[in-house]
Amino acid sequence: KAGVTQTPRYLIKTRGQQVTLSCSPISGHRSVSWYQQTPGQGLQFLFEYFSETQRNKGNFPGRFSGRQFSNSRSEMNVSTLELGDSALYLCASSLGRGFPQPVSYEQYFGPGTRLTVT
Amino acid sequence: AQKITQTQPGMFVQEKEAVTLDCTYDTSDQSYGLFWYKQPSSGEMIFLIYQGSYDEQNATEGRYSLNFQKARKSANLVISASQLGDSAMYFCAMREGYSGYALNFGKGTSLLVTP
Repeated sequence: KAGVTQTPRYLIKTRGQQVTLSCSPISGHRSVSWYQQTPGQGLQFLFEYFSETQRNKGNFPGRFSGRQFSNSRSEMNVSTLELGDSALYLCASSLGRGFPQPVSYEQYFGPGTRLTVT
Repeated sequence: AQKITQTQPGMFVQEKEAVTLDCTYDTSDQSYGLFWYKQPSSGEMIFLIYQGSYDEQNATEGRYSLNFQKARKSANLVISASQLGDSAMYFCAMREGYSGYALNFGKGTSLLVTP
């Protein structure tokens, strides 16, 4: 079974531009979560989508947005890029189910997209 | 407030030796899950082991075991018989209650296995 794929793997953008990152979950998985990893802040949760609906959102400004398509593929968008947005963006997929859901579900991570903002 | 604390920024261990990576957590939920992930230099997060708050036995997965001390709120990862390929960043993470899939990660511990 293919794992989580993220495209592109590397990206260089200029401050003020916008960027779209893509994530294809494992086949059959309906939940996709996004995380930002920086040396200073570590790994931080951005948002989670399940069946095309955002269910959970971390503490990030509105410049960070996402969506999920009917085939469970997800995209995240960052508008008006800032230097501090330079990070590794990780996508994770899970089977997912409706609320309430137990804490034990394992998330499978993709290789990440490394974004550099200059 | 930091929910997951990993106090060891870096650790060294000799090949074939055992090593313990520390993790303490903070939550008021009764239902929570604790995870350990490995992140090699390639960047991908690899799931290692899971411990539920109601699990009475310590979790084990091959060479990995989790030393779960609920009263002390600690969930230390023990790697037995270290291998050179174990050199990586290790992250402890927690998911609380029925709040969705958000994982709170610690800052990580960099482990270097030497020959």
